[in-house]
Amino acid sequence: DTEVTQTPKHLVMGMTNKKSLKCEQHMGHRAMYWYKQKAKKPPELMFVYSYEKLSINESVPSRFSPECPNSSLLNLHLHALQPEDSALYLCASSHETGASSGANVLTFGAGSRLTVL
Amino acid sequence: AQSVTQLDSHVSVSEGTPVLLRCNYSSSYSPSLFWYVQHPNKGLQLLLKYTSAATLVKGINGFEAEFKKSETSFHLTKPSAHMSDAAEYFCVVRVIQGAQKLVFGQGTRLTINP
Repeated sequence: DTEVTQTPKHLVMGMTNKKSLKCEQHMGHRAMYWYKQKAKKPPELMFVYSYEKLSINESVPSRFSPECPNSSLLNLHLHALQPEDSALYLCASSHETGASSGANVLTFGAGSRLTVL
Repeated sequence: AQSVTQLDSHVSVSEGTPVLLRCNYSSSYSPSLFWYVQHPNKGLQLLLKYTSAATLVKGINGFEAEFKKSETSFHLTKPSAHMSDAAEYFCVVRVIQGAQKLVFGQGTRLTINP
């Protein structure tokens, strides 16, 4: 299995809703990432998990709450979002987060497109 | 700080003609560089990577890129464009700040004319 699977593919939510995005990989990768991509813009890093511990939080608002329950799963919990949070949310994984190996290439999922009304 | 600059926001070529997508990098040490492609409403797919081995890197779907330290460039080329190559292309540099981060260029939209 060489894929990163994201669900749901599309999500529409109101500003008072609580929802979650899910990401799963079975490649034995120990690093997982959340990126946010606005329309016609490049992806921007939100969070990095390494061995199920949060390594990087790019000053993301607390209405986004990541969770890594095990090495194969990554969730992004959403609460009280704003319309400007509408975007494509991309999950990725890699062997590890270190620089030493050329094998640390990120594999991306197809994304979850979020619309906040 | 490490960064990449994609020199063209949009490139348009005819089917069967060569493709050149330009990328310059800024780095205080030998960088790890990547090209990713994103088809409409899809995720990102790795085309190729440079990690200080051979300077000419071959990727998938006939693409290749050459790392030129003297010019701080990592341009993406393909000898003959196909309609299926129409997509957004991102030049990416890997930054290590505790953990690895990918820093993306602004993207180049490639249009293929029949």
